[in-house]
Amino acid sequence: GESVGLHLPTLSVQEGDNSIINCAYSNSASDYFIWYKQESGKGPQFIIDIRSNMDKRQGQRVTVLLNKTVKHLSLQIAATQPGDSAVYFCAEPMGGKLIFGQGTELSVKP
Amino acid sequence: EADIYQTPRYLVIGTGKKITLECSQTMGHDKMYWYQQDPGMELHLIHYSYGVNSTEKGDLSSESTVSRIRTEHFPLTLESARPSHTSQYLCASSDWQYGYTFGSGTRLTVV
Repeated sequence: GESVGLHLPTLSVQEGDNSIINCAYSNSASDYFIWYKQESGKGPQFIIDIRSNMDKRQGQRVTVLLNKTVKHLSLQIAATQPGDSAVYFCAEPMGGKLIFGQGTELSVKP
Repeated sequence: EADIYQTPRYLVIGTGKKITLECSQTMGHDKMYWYQQDPGMELHLIHYSYGVNSTEKGDLSSESTVSRIRTEHFPLTLESARPSHTSQYLCASSDWQYGYTFGSGTRLTVV
């Protein structure tokens, strides 16, 4: 069936470095994607979204890139900080509901 | 500041007990959702509601039930808890299709 998933379960980066978290999707008709951040003991929080008519969207220290040819999107975090440590999910609407992929746990080393 | 509230945050309960997980939102959202999540894993939709007296089962089969008698309240009930129900339960609401706001979750342990 259709799915949204992440490549790596964990990612460890040095404070100040850039982080890249990847996500693959299988439905070529998908037209909207969302990235969520989930800190320990909390529910997921919206970070940034992107529609399929865009290749790139930037927020504050975050950038999402969408490659529709290979059905891949990535979340880039610039100058990663300890507060960025969390699990990151990509999510995609399917059938009127939001479907989440497997998370990537980002650890930031001081 | 959270506008969607879940209680309790943590619950340890014995097998066979009936439990209700509470979820309330103050945003007037019509759409509400329950997700089940194991630690570090993806979220699985188990129930959703698009308004009062409307409830539907999600993609992941669950023995829990829900009700939506008031817009702001979407409780989840397990009639007879089992160890297999041990998980984190997340409630969310939205006012447009994908603008979800999540609560902090209830971590349930059935012993």
